[in-house]
Amino acid sequence: SAVISQKPSRDICQRGTSLTIQCQVDSQVTMMFWYRQQPGQSLTLIATANQGSEATYESGFVIDKFPISRPNLTFSTLTVSNMSPEDSSIYLCSVEPDSLTLNTEAFFGQGTRLTVV
Amino acid sequence: DAKTTQPTSMDCAEGRAANLPCNHSTISGNEYVYWYRQIHSQGPQYIIHGLKNNETNEMASLIITEDRKSSTLILPHATLRDTAVYYCIVRGAYNQGGKLIFGQGTELSVKP
Repeated sequence: SAVISQKPSRDICQRGTSLTIQCQVDSQVTMMFWYRQQPGQSLTLIATANQGSEATYESGFVIDKFPISRPNLTFSTLTVSNMSPEDSSIYLCSVEPDSLTLNTEAFFGQGTRLTVV
Repeated sequence: DAKTTQPTSMDCAEGRAANLPCNHSTISGNEYVYWYRQIHSQGPQYIIHGLKNNETNEMASLIITEDRKSSTLILPHATLRDTAVYYCIVRGAYNQGGKLIFGQGTELSVKP
């Protein structure tokens, strides 16, 4: 299993500013993921963050808007840049513990609830 | 795009079995069926997953049809705390590029 801590848990930000969200895991993991959940919607994968390489972004998400850092195997950050009200969402960090079984379960943080005004 | 189809919502009486269906007619031979749930204002929680065989754990049972084109998640004795959105997801092995792509899920309401 893995315990994930996300900070901040919530924030209210002014449009045009940036917010950096932190994700800390209690064990070393290779695979970390960032998701966005817009109000009333399902989760959408933003990017995969692997230590030692550039993050891989999904269609519709770009590095300039959502830069990601992965300095080590227990930590990652997601920055939401130049925010607008449309960025108001819950942002979730997820990890998949390294496994020899080639398939495993993902663990999620409790999310960061962002409101842009 | 999500590869699964689920009913938008379902009701279940407390103490009864909740049977949540999922269609995944385009599933590939190396793809697994995963179930997660999201209780309001919390991060998703893993429930169970399987490839071909039926699976059971302390939370639920997963029944996969022989042709693997559909599956059913069974919560044997639903409680009010099982009220949540349940997501059925089809994915390959994570180290082969498999990713969790969430669809809209089924909103399960367990009623007294």
